[in-house]
Amino acid sequence: DTGVSQNPRHKITKRGQNVTFRCDPISEHNRLYWYRQTLGQGPEFLTYFQNEAQLEKSRLLSDRFSAERPKGSFSTLEIQRTEQGDSAMYLCASSSVSGYQTQYFGPGTRLLVL
Amino acid sequence: AQSVTQLDSHVSVSEGTPVLLRCNYSSSYSPSLFWYVQHPNKGLQLLLKYTSAATLVKGINGFEAEFKKSETSFHLTKPSAHMSDAAEYFCVVSDRGSGTYKYIFGTGTRLKVLA
Repeated sequence: DTGVSQNPRHKITKRGQNVTFRCDPISEHNRLYWYRQTLGQGPEFLTYFQNEAQLEKSRLLSDRFSAERPKGSFSTLEIQRTEQGDSAMYLCASSSVSGYQTQYFGPGTRLLVL
Repeated sequence: AQSVTQLDSHVSVSEGTPVLLRCNYSSSYSPSLFWYVQHPNKGLQLLLKYTSAATLVKGINGFEAEFKKSETSFHLTKPSAHMSDAAEYFCVVSDRGSGTYKYIFGTGTRLKVLA
């Protein structure tokens, strides 16, 4: 159990560029979540996967955002045509079948859009 | 609908004195409640959780919380603060109604520990 990992840890991009983040959950955790945390706020739910199926998306997830979890392992979150308002910490979490109510978080990817 | 309210955005205590971080919840279901801690530039770490078992929950690093249904509260306490406790603390309710068990976070309480 090596924990949830996220890459990159930091990303600086210019407005209008596309960015992609990766999350590697704890092995054999079938549930995977993405959250967004802006400065001074608590994290907010973005989307949820059970295995490879994306089962829920928040209204926060505009059509510029897309997430995938091929083969039910790692997940990617892509933001197209980034805007300054996308600047935030993007957090990934995973949980298991048996301990489904407890989520384990990665260190996050901090995005700054200039 | 479920929600949590953290009643204090900032709390300052002296080292060695008790810590109290307050959280009230609202839930249509029997809630599952959590406290997480976030140190600067670090991920969220689980402190403790309540999932319908004992109402007094003990966590890591000497923290504990008591679930009080009549008061809809889940306050976090520690008898004696340590400098290393300085961090942001989040109260969380798990959304059992949606089937996803996604987390709903409070706005956080920043704990400052004075030497």
